[in-house]
Amino acid sequence: DAMVIQNPRYQVTQFGKPVTLSCSQTLNHNVMYWYQQKSSQAPKLLFHYYDKDFNNEADTPDNFQSRRPNTSFCFLDIRSPGLGDAAMYLCATSRGLGLAGGILNTGELFFGEGSRLTVL
Amino acid sequence: QKEVEQNSGPLSVPEGAIASLNCTYSDRGSQSFFWYRQYSGKSPELIMSIYSNGDKEDGRFTAQLNKASQYVSLLIRDSQPSDSATYLCAAQLNTGTASKLTFGTGTRLQVTL
Repeated sequence: DAMVIQNPRYQVTQFGKPVTLSCSQTLNHNVMYWYQQKSSQAPKLLFHYYDKDFNNEADTPDNFQSRRPNTSFCFLDIRSPGLGDAAMYLCATSRGLGLAGGILNTGELFFGEGSRLTVL
Repeated sequence: QKEVEQNSGPLSVPEGAIASLNCTYSDRGSQSFFWYRQYSGKSPELIMSIYSNGDKEDGRFTAQLNKASQYVSLLIRDSQPSDSATYLCAAQLNTGTASKLTFGTGTRLQVTL
């Protein structure tokens, strides 16, 4: 079955120790997203890729970086995790519909199972 | 002002009843709307999308959209204990050069036996 796979599912790190979370997809979607979700809160978009074009949200801290080496894979790097970065990190994909003059990302997102980060 | 607002709940309904979940959005330019279901500790799963005013039915689920009132709702008929989850409403705004999907904080639904 086509799917979005995140690894690891659970990650425990120490304060300030870098972490990398990975996401792979077999849906062949050209848009990939990273969301952060804390308990009882809405998913918060950190950044997304349309193909290889990187789009950073204005309020995403510099501590968060991302790489997309190819269509299928995307990585989230947290360079120096703080206690406030403990959260569920969700990778999602969608089809991007290129339109003349702009890009339309469909809101129909397919999420991976998430990576839960604990910071000690 | 929150861009997408939902009552956090919990909304408690007995098994077999109709659950009614509501959502309002602030940006009148929002064009597409989505309902995601999220079980505790799991990731969101798309269950309904609606793009035009009126009702859209899919099995036990009906999404309703009223753009004039900036209001979206989800009805779940014959509620089952397996429907117990948090339901996230999302609104998409397309500006022609970008699109932005904004989630609400979700309404927790409890279906009781």
